[in-house]
Amino acid sequence: DGGITQSPKYLFRKEGQNVTLSCEQNLNHDAMYWYRQDPGQGLRLIYYSQIVNDFQKGDIAEGYSVSREKKESFPLTVTSAQKNPTAFYLCASRDMTSGGGREQFFGPGTRLTVL
Amino acid sequence: KQEVTQIPAALSVPEGENLVLNCSFTDSAIYNLQWFRQDPGKGLTSLLLIQSSQREQTSGRLNASLDKSSGRSTLYIAASQPGDSATYLCAARTGGGNKLTFGTGTQLKVEL
Repeated sequence: DGGITQSPKYLFRKEGQNVTLSCEQNLNHDAMYWYRQDPGQGLRLIYYSQIVNDFQKGDIAEGYSVSREKKESFPLTVTSAQKNPTAFYLCASRDMTSGGGREQFFGPGTRLTVL
Repeated sequence: KQEVTQIPAALSVPEGENLVLNCSFTDSAIYNLQWFRQDPGKGLTSLLLIQSSQREQTSGRLNASLDKSSGRSTLYIAASQPGDSATYLCAARTGGGNKLTFGTGTQLKVEL
């Protein structure tokens, strides 16, 4: 079964803690993305990566960090510096090769709640 | 800076009705425009992708159109069903192809 998996589905964090959200894809896509979704707002880009060992900040990168050590994996760490981390986090990937259609596909999401 | 707007924010229709969802964008220099469906608490499902050189795309009961010059796209749903109830999001790709800017979505409810 090809696709994007995110874990955990629900995550609870105490204030001051760092947490890491997992994103794995077996679509052989080069590009991977992290978005944040809040009620009444569109998705906002946190970080993206187009190649292993390289990534760029999106519109709201402050308080977040990522790594891209493997093509299949793009974990997101929400640090204690993120002031309002409670949100729904979505991971996505995209084929960057020529003729790849360039659709962006999404995982099922992780809902993070700060207690 | 690209801005994407979707109107209306919510829509309720009786089953069987044909309907149109609207999406407008401010920067016409887009690579493509993608329509998604999102069920409550779930991720996004890609419905249709229209390249900048195309005018429309069709998949089953769905038809999406693109008018770059006017900065508009529409998603037409034929013969709506209760299973079509979801939030529909459009997103325009710009910024050298790296950035997808999302609208806030239209929440559709199809009633029996």
